[in-house]
Amino acid sequence: TQLLEQSPQFLSIQEGENLTVYCNSSSVFSSLQWYRQEPGEGPVLLVTVVTGGEVKKLKRLTFQFGDARKDSSLHITAAQPGDTGLYLCAGVGNSGYALNFGKGTSLLVTP
Amino acid sequence: DAEITQSPRHKITETGRQVTLACHQTWNHNNMFWYRQDLGHGLRLIHYSYGVQDTNKGEVSDGYSVSRSNTEDLPLTLESAASSQTSVYFCASRSAMNTEAFFGQGTRLTVV
Repeated sequence: TQLLEQSPQFLSIQEGENLTVYCNSSSVFSSLQWYRQEPGEGPVLLVTVVTGGEVKKLKRLTFQFGDARKDSSLHITAAQPGDTGLYLCAGVGNSGYALNFGKGTSLLVTP
Repeated sequence: DAEITQSPRHKITETGRQVTLACHQTWNHNNMFWYRQDLGHGLRLIHYSYGVQDTNKGEVSDGYSVSRSNTEDLPLTLESAASSQTSVYFCASRSAMNTEAFFGQGTRLTVV
């Protein structure tokens, strides 16, 4: 199993602050995905990054795929309480289409 | 709209009983997956299927089995439930590489 390490595990910040979440692996991935999960729900896709060095923006969220395709980051600008949730990175492992997930970063944004 | 549904949403069972969790998707996806989610472990892959009659073991498959008799359904069976199998179970499907995986809302299973 190709491991994905996420950091930090927990993050509690105030509204308006910026933050970065990291997803690292010793393995090369053909692509990485970021999902967001709210309590009592399944994860929902935020973005897929495919090309090394790729940067994608989704409103206040910026996603980057490392040049070597072994790591990725998620940066949130001016966090809002609605950003609260569990952020998961995922990559396709050796088993084809099945996604391997990191353990997630639990984000709490307080007003 | 296409969707993926799991049932039941909550279940309490006794140690040693056989339990089956249902997963039904209307996306017509060939690829379906079962995960369990536990604090400190994240989402771990139990079993997966790439089409009818195809099933494969994931990272934590011991004590679980699946069957795929049609495209829409991938039921997960716990042969003899154990307390270590208390968890939240998620079913997912996706069409191909690099595409979105759609998740069900999860089944919270408690084994007492």
